[in-house]
Amino acid sequence: GQQLNQSPQSMFIQEGEDVSMNCTSSSIFNTWLWYKQDPGEGPVLLIALYKAGELTSNGRLTAQFGITRKDSFLNISASIPSDVGIYFCAGRKAHRDDKIIFGKGTRLHILP
Amino acid sequence: GAVVSQHPSWVICKSGTSVKIECRSLDFQATTMFWYRQFPKQSLMLMATSNEGSKATYEQGVEKDKFLINHASLTLSTLTVTSAHPEDSSFYICSARREALSTIYFGEGSWLTVV
Repeated sequence: GQQLNQSPQSMFIQEGEDVSMNCTSSSIFNTWLWYKQDPGEGPVLLIALYKAGELTSNGRLTAQFGITRKDSFLNISASIPSDVGIYFCAGRKAHRDDKIIFGKGTRLHILP
Repeated sequence: GAVVSQHPSWVICKSGTSVKIECRSLDFQATTMFWYRQFPKQSLMLMATSNEGSKATYEQGVEKDKFLINHASLTLSTLTVTSAHPEDSSFYICSARREALSTIYFGEGSWLTVV
């Protein structure tokens, strides 16, 4: 089935560094969602975006809904050890469309 | 706190037996819930959409007779893995759509190990 192209697949950074990851698709989406998944747990919603161009922050996290509606990015500023995990982007083609499509995830590692 | 809860968190069963996993929306009603399967280091794979009061909609390649889904109330959906085999061992995750916020929340996941 259709997937979102999420990059990078993995990142190794130093604590305190900023992080940026993105998702792109050949299709237009009406909703972009960013989730974080810790090992052995379900994904937790970080940020939801509903409008093209929308820029939303949640603490040190900032995400934007691309103006073309085909992409979104997530930035994490001043990374800390608890930011380690897998970040998934997800898109929905219509507000009433319950089915969401996931990217393959970006695995974030923080070097000691 | 969690708005969607799964139970059990982990279960070990013998090959050939059936296992039921519950998914509950804790403080909202969910007419639609979703069941996913996740293999190690991979993304979530949608198995089926659970619709309250009607039959579930299964994704291509998912055996509906093997993965029975029941959505008997607006706050509960169950996934039953029938005649489980070792290859069914996986991490199963449910999610529920919160209508008012147009957002989907996930449960904590359930680890199934078939021995």
